[in-house]
Amino acid sequence: QAGLTQPPSVSKGLRQTATLTCIGNSNNVGYQGATWLQQHQGHPPKALSSRGNNRPSEISERFSASRSGNTASLTITGLQPEDEADYYCSAWDNSLGAWVFGGGTKLTVL
Amino acid sequence: QVHLVQSGAEVNKPGASVKVSCKASGYTFTNHLLHWVRQAPGQSLEWMGCINVGDGSSISSQKFRGRVTLSSDTSATTASMELSGLISEDTAVYYCAREAADCFDLWGQGTIVTVSS
Repeated sequence: QAGLTQPPSVSKGLRQTATLTCIGNSNNVGYQGATWLQQHQGHPPKALSSRGNNRPSEISERFSASRSGNTASLTITGLQPEDEADYYCSAWDNSLGAWVFGGGTKLTVL
Repeated sequence: QVHLVQSGAEVNKPGASVKVSCKASGYTFTNHLLHWVRQAPGQSLEWMGCINVGDGSSISSQKFRGRVTLSSDTSATTASMELSGLISEDTAVYYCAREAADCFDLWGQGTIVTVSS
């Protein structure tokens, strides 16, 4: 059911940097960009960035989003144990007339 | 403080309908779209539709068209999602989410809907 492609899992060490990717096409990510969400087990998602790669004020500067063509990326620096979570990207798909989500990436902090 | 508070868990039989509500507080209700997103056990997020709570207009995913009804009550600052013709695959956590600043910036706590005979 996922419309965007994300790697199922990424593992990095404490204080390292993780870059998560989200591949779409010209109708979604390439059209207006992607948003990023963080979800801890048993909790609702939380917004990390907007389609314009802006970060909500309460989100740490360690999280930054970018886009190149049809690929969106989320970079997390100085990994902390609390960063261990599922990360989802989403984008408006102009051809489907619907929001689409990625399958999610499970980030493990070693 | 801004909140979206959803109604409680539901258990429904196949073929029945379920209605989930989402009460907003702490912001101007009519200024933002409200989306409905569901998450089946162990699965990703799935967009169902959204409503302009100001004028009541809505759009929905083609997957749910004909089965989902989105509504809003501005006096009660509450939006609702009704899903009919339930099947076992509709078992999921259903979330409402506010759209603001080009992202889903505020989420409800989720409502567990179980479809079981």
